[in-house]
Amino acid sequence: EPEVTQTPSHQVTQMGQEVILRCVPISNHLYFYWYRQILGQKVEFLVSFYNNEISEKSEIFDDQFSVERPDGSNFTLKIRSTKLEDSAMYFCASSLFSGNTIYFGEGSWLTVV
Amino acid sequence: AQTVTQSQPEMSVQEAETVTLSCTYDTSESDYYLFWYKQPPSRQMILVIRQEAYKQQNATENRFSVNFQKAAKSFSLKISDSQLGDAAMYFCAYRSARSGNTPLVFGKGTRLSVIA
Repeated sequence: EPEVTQTPSHQVTQMGQEVILRCVPISNHLYFYWYRQILGQKVEFLVSFYNNEISEKSEIFDDQFSVERPDGSNFTLKIRSTKLEDSAMYFCASSLFSGNTIYFGEGSWLTVV
Repeated sequence: AQTVTQSQPEMSVQEAETVTLSCTYDTSESDYYLFWYKQPPSRQMILVIRQEAYKQQNATENRFSVNFQKAAKSFSLKISDSQLGDAAMYFCAYRSARSGNTPLVFGKGTRLSVIA
């Protein structure tokens, strides 16, 4: 069964460093998302992406965050200068159409020290 | 803005028994989707079941079924014949059906324990 894949599964980074989290959405899906989950808290929406541009973004998705689809398969989330509070599980997700079910990857656990 | 409330932080069930997880939501929209996702200790988010608001019939998926009460804005998940592998965090989620790439709005989750 097709699935969303994410790398790395776990990354530890120094505060202030740049981090890029990578995702390969399900191949025929057109809509892409990033969500995050701080330990012990609920899953929060960061950004959605369609047709090579951001569709919606939350208040969390400030100027230090960016997304890109550099080629036909990858979808990346960049955090420019990480802060301690960026430590969280970051989920990539995709859906075929805008109203369809959203399928999640296994997550990338980011620890900022 | 839409909100999703899961009033049970933790639940437990005996193996082979039935358990119901509660979820309520608040919206002014008439067309939307509702989901239950399961998050086991591996922390992957796994879709359990989906309900379209325009459908009166409750969704079922093997041992999982929902009780969708649109007027009451309630969307509970029933797990029958509970198995040890059902132990996980369960999240209820709402998604608007309006045009555009609408995000999922999650509740805070219910941690389900299954007792052997």
